[in-house]
Amino acid sequence: AQKVTQAQTEISVVEKEDVTLDCVYETRDTTYYLFWYKQPPSGELVFLIRRNSFDEQNEISGRYSWNFQKSTSSFNFTITASQVVDSAVYFCALSEAAGLKNRDDKIIFGKGTRLHILP
Amino acid sequence: EAGVAQSPRYKIIEKRQSVAFWCNPISGHATLYWYQQILGQGPKLLIQFQNNGVVDDSQLPKDRFSAERLKGVDSTLKIQPAKLEDSAVYLCASHSESSYNEQFFGPGTRLTVL
Repeated sequence: AQKVTQAQTEISVVEKEDVTLDCVYETRDTTYYLFWYKQPPSGELVFLIRRNSFDEQNEISGRYSWNFQKSTSSFNFTITASQVVDSAVYFCALSEAAGLKNRDDKIIFGKGTRLHILP
Repeated sequence: EAGVAQSPRYKIIEKRQSVAFWCNPISGHATLYWYQQILGQGPKLLIQFQNNGVVDDSQLPKDRFSAERLKGVDSTLKIQPAKLEDSAVYLCASHSESSYNEQFFGPGTRLTVL
């Protein structure tokens, strides 16, 4: 069965510090997708990244970076030089899919990590 | 490009009453989802449509919840009768063929059942 665990319920850091949000997943499939979403106070979920299970390259996008390690079933998210606007709830998610044409692309979300960036 | 629209944004009802939510996905997006997000938890999929057909409704409490997407565009989610534990944010999302699995979410409807 699929499962996503975000062990950190809430994190507070001072602005400009780096912060890493942990995500551990479980799946029996060899092909799957991993995601991170941001949910600011407005409530709308904002897509941040999608990673294919065959692509273990780490990715950097501005102040955001993601570390995908299949060996430990982890997909951690780091914010460098955090800013107050980064305050939000961050969700890690998993989707099992056999391929691009598979319509059963249900996404399973973790419980989220609430991140507070203190000025 | 306009985003996913949902209405109402907020709804307060008493238990045993009925309520309906509306979603207008991004134009051209064939796949539409309804999620339930209880406070402090991640979104949980209730139902997935592909055009006007249901792909997955395994987690929809069918004794009280129903959803339809008659013309393959807008969708409505109904709860009848509501229970206290239905208090949650109901999120609608959509994606297109080209944005596989990149789901675009609406702002949600916050339901409070008293």
